[in-house]
Amino acid sequence: GQNIDQPTEMTATEGAIVQINCTYQTSGFNGLFWYQQHAGEAPTFLSYNVLDGLEEKGRFSSFLSRSKGYSYLLLKELQMKDSASYLCAVRAPYNQGGKLIFGQGTELSVKP
Amino acid sequence: GAVVSQHPSWVICKSGTSVKIECRSLDFQATTMFWYRQFPKQSLMLMATSNEGSKATYEQGVEKDKFLINHASLTLSTLTVTSAHPEDSSFYICSATGRLAGEETQYFGPGTRLLVL
Repeated sequence: GQNIDQPTEMTATEGAIVQINCTYQTSGFNGLFWYQQHAGEAPTFLSYNVLDGLEEKGRFSSFLSRSKGYSYLLLKELQMKDSASYLCAVRAPYNQGGKLIFGQGTELSVKP
Repeated sequence: GAVVSQHPSWVICKSGTSVKIECRSLDFQATTMFWYRQFPKQSLMLMATSNEGSKATYEQGVEKDKFLINHASLTLSTLTVTSAHPEDSSFYICSATGRLAGEETQYFGPGTRLLVL
């Protein structure tokens, strides 16, 4: 089966650092994505990992360990506008349709 | 960068009518597009994979005859909700696979909010 787990909610303080974890157990793997979704809007792409290691993009970084079925999204210098839902998604191999399988999302609240 | 558009962004209809939603990839060709549905406070649920020139692949539990998908060209996929009922009210989002800065990823349209009265 397909299983992607991430915490339901997290709270952090403006200016701080927060790490959102994601663990997965899927029948195939062709990359892991992180998306940000503000209420009432569609998801926007944040990062993509297909090899082990850390990918850094400004205030956002994403890490992947394929052997552990684990990823995290790291947000630095938190801003109020970072309050949103963060979605972890695993892409199936192309011979399985290449579709994204989403976790339930982590609702992040940034407090002053 | 890759852009995906959806039309309409909002639709309100009476129960029993059909609603068509368009998804377009604006600056790239997408042989595959995906249709999702999202209820409040929930994550995205994949409904079907739309393949250009062939039949869509539906996820388990999604009624093919109720949610008609047509992928007539490399830049356009349509989702028709037939005989819509209030329980079909939801946020419908499409996505398309594109390449940006050497990375292939899925880009989402802005979504269509459907309210069935």
